[in-house]
Amino acid sequence: DSGVTQTPKHLITATGQRVTLRCSPRSGDLSVYWYQQSLDQGLQFLIQYYNGEERAKGNILERFSAQQFPDLHSELNLSSLELGDSALYFCASSVSVLNSYNEQFFGPGTRLTVL
Amino acid sequence: TQLLEQSPQFLSIQEGENLTVYCNSSSVFSSLQWYRQEPGEGPVLLVTVVTGGEVKKLKRLTFQFGDARKDSSLHITAAQPGDTGLYLCAGFPFSGGYNKLIFGAGTRLAVHP
Repeated sequence: DSGVTQTPKHLITATGQRVTLRCSPRSGDLSVYWYQQSLDQGLQFLIQYYNGEERAKGNILERFSAQQFPDLHSELNLSSLELGDSALYFCASSVSVLNSYNEQFFGPGTRLTVL
Repeated sequence: TQLLEQSPQFLSIQEGENLTVYCNSSSVFSSLQWYRQEPGEGPVLLVTVVTGGEVKKLKRLTFQFGDARKDSSLHITAAQPGDTGLYLCAGFPFSGGYNKLIFGAGTRLAVHP
């Protein structure tokens, strides 16, 4: 158990819909990262928040957005869903972003299926 | 184009055999990390290597970071069925800060009793 929690575990929805994925980081971790894992793309970095502020963006679609709340939990919002958005979405957290030992601890993931 | 190339993509071996997984790039990395992922679960961090030429051991697993910090390897001695899983290397490109972790496509290992 990494200490990172994600809900829900599974999500099945239809094209065009909007969903929210939730993540609680490890106690004491200020950084939260979101990743998408699909069969053809592997693990791809989406976005990072540090203490409530957006710090880095990867290949995140404009239909996707995220935020980190004062209690440090984070939500990833996916809208206008398409079949190709079906994937595993992981949240990770870490203590520091300032050195090469920025070790990230991953949650169990949310499996999104868009029908 | 994958910034981190892992090989082999798949590996199926018998219990007791040794194996090596490679992670290569044409770019320099500030650090490289190795993760193991089991089906339906998140990646679990195994090790972080930072210094060129660094070697770290974790029981039967030996990790090496290349002198030029462009490649890494994971060697497993006397593999066991419990070693089965997806092994991922990941790193922070030297000029990219410490936010965007880049992952390789992974090596899927199956160890048969």
